[in-house]
Amino acid sequence: DMQMTQSPSTLSASVGDRVTITCRASQSISSWLAWFQQKPGKAPKLLIYKASTLESGVPSRFSGSGSGTEFTLSISSLQPDDFATYFCQQYKDSPLTFGPGTKVDIK
Amino acid sequence: QVQLVQSGAEVKKPGASVKVSCKASGYTFTSYAIHWVRQAPGQRPEWMGWISTANGNTKFSQKFQGRLTITSDTSASTAYMELRSLRSEDTAVYYCARETSLLLRLWGQGTLVTVSS
Repeated sequence: DMQMTQSPSTLSASVGDRVTITCRASQSISSWLAWFQQKPGKAPKLLIYKASTLESGVPSRFSGSGSGTEFTLSISSLQPDDFATYFCQQYKDSPLTFGPGTKVDIK
Repeated sequence: QVQLVQSGAEVKKPGASVKVSCKASGYTFTSYAIHWVRQAPGQRPEWMGWISTANGNTKFSQKFQGRLTITSDTSASTAYMELRSLRSEDTAVYYCARETSLLLRLWGQGTLVTVSS
């Protein structure tokens, strides 16, 4: 199975900060990567797909980049609603696999 | 509106089975595949399998082969996930999700399954 890793596991930041999360795949997945946001007690919400395409309705402060095995999710100016856990997920191969998550909390 | 509504929380004993339903509304059920994903407390989501609601074809993660059944009832616009021989490690929130072009865009609200003696 494709292994996904993320760093950091936790990120403490303030409103207005720029934050960056890294996701790595164990093999090349081209650009078949999605990013999800999850809040406690809620289902994951799709933010970005194909590594860098913003899902409809997602604020433009979110952006994604990368290809192959290394990817990043950036939030240009952190807002109070953005404190959550972020997961990457590859959809190149079956089984679909997710990263372990990055929790963004308030500094 | 377009949504997936899942059945309620379950408490099961080790060795038992659980069947979770996922009712779709607001769209043509047979136009989209349904996936099942579970998430143990504090863990990453884990993909379990999917069903083509158009023809009933299924594919499962090898981890669940032999214990997992996914079905759908097109007349009821409902997909089902049944997991057998439950153990404590199966305690998790189980989600159904609708696939659009390989992406899991629409999720159910989740169903907590607790396995405890």
